[in-house]
Amino acid sequence: DVKVTQSSRYLVKRTGEKVFLECVQDMDHENMFWYRQDPGLGLRLIYFSYDVKMKEKGDIPEGYSVSREKKERFSLILESASTNQTSMYLCTSTSSYEQYFGPGTRLTVT
Amino acid sequence: ELKVEQNPLFLSMQEGKNYTIYCNYSTTSDRLYWYRQDPGKSLESLFVLLSNGAVKQEGRLMASLDTKARLSTLHITAAVHDLSATYFCAVDDIGGTYKYIFGTGTRLKVLA
Repeated sequence: DVKVTQSSRYLVKRTGEKVFLECVQDMDHENMFWYRQDPGLGLRLIYFSYDVKMKEKGDIPEGYSVSREKKERFSLILESASTNQTSMYLCTSTSSYEQYFGPGTRLTVT
Repeated sequence: ELKVEQNPLFLSMQEGKNYTIYCNYSTTSDRLYWYRQDPGKSLESLFVLLSNGAVKQEGRLMASLDTKARLSTLHITAAVHDLSATYFCAVDDIGGTYKYIFGTGTRLKVLA
């Protein structure tokens, strides 16, 4: 069974903290993506990766960075969390024909 | 700029009724995807449409794709309360990057 897992379902952090969101897939996919979802704004692409150690900026990369040291793991890093980064974060992994979503991490920055 | 537009954005309908959600896109992509999202949850894949004229059905939902018109429809037949959710369509960025562009979503509420 196809699986994308995310390290936390809910996370509460303080302003200025460094935050790590982890995503792991077990399908040997090369392509992985990080989105954030906000009411009224839909899904917005933050970063994506085609392969190990490769990364590309999406539409809203500011305030974020990523790491892909192993094929199965794609990490999203908030260097210094801010309240406007409170959101639902969704990780996906794609084959040629389909995109698989993780369960999401709802991050609250106070 | 690639755009994906859905309408309506909100849909409230009675159980037993039929309705169609529309997804228009601006690229020449021939792949289109439909997803369902329940409140507080992630997205779940419903349909993958990979060519012009593709039609797929699952239960009370049927999706179709017309690549010439750059239009996909999600038809709901005899709606039931359990279909209440937000529905998204998405299109491949045909630049070969495997990026997906999502529509704004249609929030469907089926009233008993």
